[in-house]
Amino acid sequence: KNEVEQSPQNLTAQEGEFITINCSYSVGISALHWLQQHPGGGIVSLFMLSSGKKKHGRLIATINIQEKHSSLHITASHPRDSAVYICAVRYNYGGSQGNLIFGKGTKLSVKP
Amino acid sequence: NAGVTQTPKFRVLKTGQSMTLLCAQDMNHEYMYWYRQDPGMGLRLIHYSVGEGTTAKGEVPDGYNVSRLKKQNFLLGLESAAPSQTSVYFCASRFITGNQPQHFGDGTRLSIL
Repeated sequence: KNEVEQSPQNLTAQEGEFITINCSYSVGISALHWLQQHPGGGIVSLFMLSSGKKKHGRLIATINIQEKHSSLHITASHPRDSAVYICAVRYNYGGSQGNLIFGKGTKLSVKP
Repeated sequence: NAGVTQTPKFRVLKTGQSMTLLCAQDMNHEYMYWYRQDPGMGLRLIHYSVGEGTTAKGEVPDGYNVSRLKKQNFLLGLESAAPSQTSVYFCASRFITGNQPQHFGDGTRLSIL
């Protein structure tokens, strides 16, 4: 079964710290997504990557296709970054319909 | 522009009761999805639709039925609710072309007693 593994499961940081969340997957993919789930439950898409690196504000996402690994970085973390961050991949195989496979999420808590 | 709207937001059912969850999107998306989210697990796909009048099974379809009579609406039905179906349900939609992001609703918290 194709799986998506995230680490760490839980992360507590002090305001201002640099944060890294990791995601690994097992076979070739067409795209990798990073999503954010707010404490209230809503889910928003942060990034979609197929190669390289993307940046949006204090968030940076990178992907290494050869190593089947992606990282989400948050610079100068703030309490409002507290959320669950979810990695999801779209695998390259017939019959998958391009559906996403989701990791279990990383719960981030940033303390003031 | 409302995006993806799920109704209801909360519901409590008794075992054996039936209900329908409604998902509506106003972005003219072709693809629509129903997921369930359980503690300690990633989002799991229940059913999905690639267009009006078409539906397909996902990873965990048992106990659920779906319909997509109109492009903008995707309904998830529980014919005979079971406690194992207690979960948070999310609907999502996206465009058909390329690697497009999915847009999620705010979720429906469903408890089966």
